[in-house]
Amino acid sequence: EAGVAQSPRYKIIEKRQSVAFWCNPISGHATLYWYQQILGQGPKLLIQFQNNGVVDDSQLPKDRFSAERLKGVDSTLKIQPAKLEDSAVYLCASSFGGLSTDTQYFGPGTRLTVL
Amino acid sequence: AQSVAQPEDQVNVAEGNPLTVKCTYSVSGNPYLFWYVQYPNRGLQFLLKYITGDNLVKGSYGFEAEFNKSQTSFHLKKPSALVSDSALYFCAVRGESGGSYIPTFGRGTSLIVHP
Repeated sequence: EAGVAQSPRYKIIEKRQSVAFWCNPISGHATLYWYQQILGQGPKLLIQFQNNGVVDDSQLPKDRFSAERLKGVDSTLKIQPAKLEDSAVYLCASSFGGLSTDTQYFGPGTRLTVL
Repeated sequence: AQSVAQPEDQVNVAEGNPLTVKCTYSVSGNPYLFWYVQYPNRGLQFLLKYITGDNLVKGSYGFEAEFNKSQTSFHLKKPSALVSDSALYFCAVRGESGGSYIPTFGRGTSLIVHP
């Protein structure tokens, strides 16, 4: 079974530029998560989708971050404009169902450096 | 608000010795607890979870964890450590917060197993 795919793996941009990340979850997984992992910290949930609907985006900085999952499969996360403090690894995860007890499967992440 | 504490930034253990990685949590309602491992430049991999029932949970690669409700702890253990167990370990909790079961991760504990 293929795992969660993410691209690009690495991205370097200057502040005030925009950037987008792509995630393709495990086939058949209804729930998709985006996390931000700053160096030295644990992952922080940004947004959770179930199919193409948003379950939780309470921790998403909506003035600059946006995410979509239009067809209920793959998803994109965008930052516009980027700030220095956005430098982090952005992790995508998926789970089969939408229950809190479901195991999440993580992709390899995208490492963003904002200069 | 729910929270997870991993009080040790780093745990050092000799190969063949038992290991413990500590985790305590704070959550309203019943907790769902998870352990993940992260190897360099890779996403998180699921190890085990506690949902309900037996307080001792067995997981992948010989790891186990004990749920202690009175001490609000969920420590990760392994009877005999391997050098290949060296990695970053994250504890996570999901509980009811404003009606949404947002996953919350600890800061991580670096496990170093010496030959």
